[in-house]
Amino acid sequence: EAQVTQNPRYLITVTGKKLTVTCSQNMNHEYMSWYRQDPGLGLRQIYYSMNVEVTDKGDVPEGYKVSRKEKRNFPLILESPSPNQTSLYFCASSLVGGGREAFFGQGTRLTVV
Amino acid sequence: SQQGEEDPQALSIQEGENATMNCSYKTSINNLQWYRQNSGRGLVHLILIRSNEREKHSGRLRVTLDTSKKSSSLLITASRAADTASYFCATDENGYSTLTFGKGTMLLVSP
Repeated sequence: EAQVTQNPRYLITVTGKKLTVTCSQNMNHEYMSWYRQDPGLGLRQIYYSMNVEVTDKGDVPEGYKVSRKEKRNFPLILESPSPNQTSLYFCASSLVGGGREAFFGQGTRLTVV
Repeated sequence: SQQGEEDPQALSIQEGENATMNCSYKTSINNLQWYRQNSGRGLVHLILIRSNEREKHSGRLRVTLDTSKKSSSLLITASRAADTASYFCATDENGYSTLTFGKGTMLLVSP
């Protein structure tokens, strides 16, 4: 089954404690991205990757890091989480090029206290 | 940057009624897509319309695109309670893979 898998689904952590949210896709997609979703603000892109070892900032990259060492994986790293990073996070993947359907993971609800 | 803006923000209807949601965007686009999100879950692609198309159908969904007005509409006919979800439009401005989403319309269909 074609899917994007994120882990964990729920995470509560404390300010400053480094964490990683994993994302893996099994569709051989070149393009992967991370979004955060906040009430009243919709989905905003954090980082994206066009292919292995190629990453770039989205609209709200501050406080986040990503890596793309393998085509299937695109982890999101919060080196020093802060309460304003409490949000619902989504990983998505697609083929490269305009007009491509994006496949989304089930989301990770992160709370930073 | 926010590209699409959906209208209304929330819509409440009865089963069997039609639901219409609108999306306006700011810059020229190559494609516009509509996605659905069930409460707190991942978005699911519904339909894509290209800039040279004016209307597209898929089952109970009808999408229109007016590039002169920079707007699109999504019509769901004969709504069902299972259609209760948030609906987002998304555009790729430069023909690349990056999608910019609107803030969504929350649809509630009551039995």
